[in-house]
Amino acid sequence: AQKVTQAQTEISVVEKEDVTLDCVYETRDTTYYLFWYKQPPSGELVFLIRRNSFDEQNEISGRYSWNFQKSTSSFNFTITASQVVDSAVYFCALSEAETSGSRLTFGEGTQLTVNP
Amino acid sequence: DSGVTQTPKHLITATGQRVTLRCSPRSGDLSVYWYQQSLDQGLQFLIQYYNGEERAKGNILERFSAQQFPDLHSELNLSSLELGDSALYFCASSVATGMTNYGYTFGSGTRLTVV
Repeated sequence: AQKVTQAQTEISVVEKEDVTLDCVYETRDTTYYLFWYKQPPSGELVFLIRRNSFDEQNEISGRYSWNFQKSTSSFNFTITASQVVDSAVYFCALSEAETSGSRLTFGEGTQLTVNP
Repeated sequence: DSGVTQTPKHLITATGQRVTLRCSPRSGDLSVYWYQQSLDQGLQFLIQYYNGEERAKGNILERFSAQQFPDLHSELNLSSLELGDSALYFCASSVATGMTNYGYTFGSGTRLTVV
């Protein structure tokens, strides 16, 4: 069965520090999709990135970058030069195309607090 | 604004009652998903509809039911409510379903408090 583990429950950093949020997943499918969502204090879920299992290229978007490694079943998320506005809960999620269609299995989330 | 509209935003009701949560998907999206976010269970998939038909079911209790109407809006009905049903209920929508998952857009959620 699919599973997503975000071992870091809470992370606290000082503004301008770099921070990496870890995500480890389990799946038997060969075709799957990985996602990161941000949940700010206001509560909505904001889509950040999608990656399919055949694309191991790392991605950078501004201060955000993602490192996908199939060999270790990890999809880690790094925020460079963190800002107070980055404070939120971040969720990693998995969708198994072959066995579970488009439903998402979420990790427990990592609460990131960026202090000024 | 994500384009997915959920109403009401907040709901407070008593145990044993029944409530209906409503979701209007983003224009052009045929799939609607319901998720529950609670402190003890985290974010869990409940059910998916595609163009009016149930497509997938997750950890949805028998006291809960949903449907998608011809205009593609969806309703999640929660009955015989218990304290443990207090949670944030999200609706999400996407263009399609199946093998290719481009991710979907979430609404802002309905916060249900059962007292």
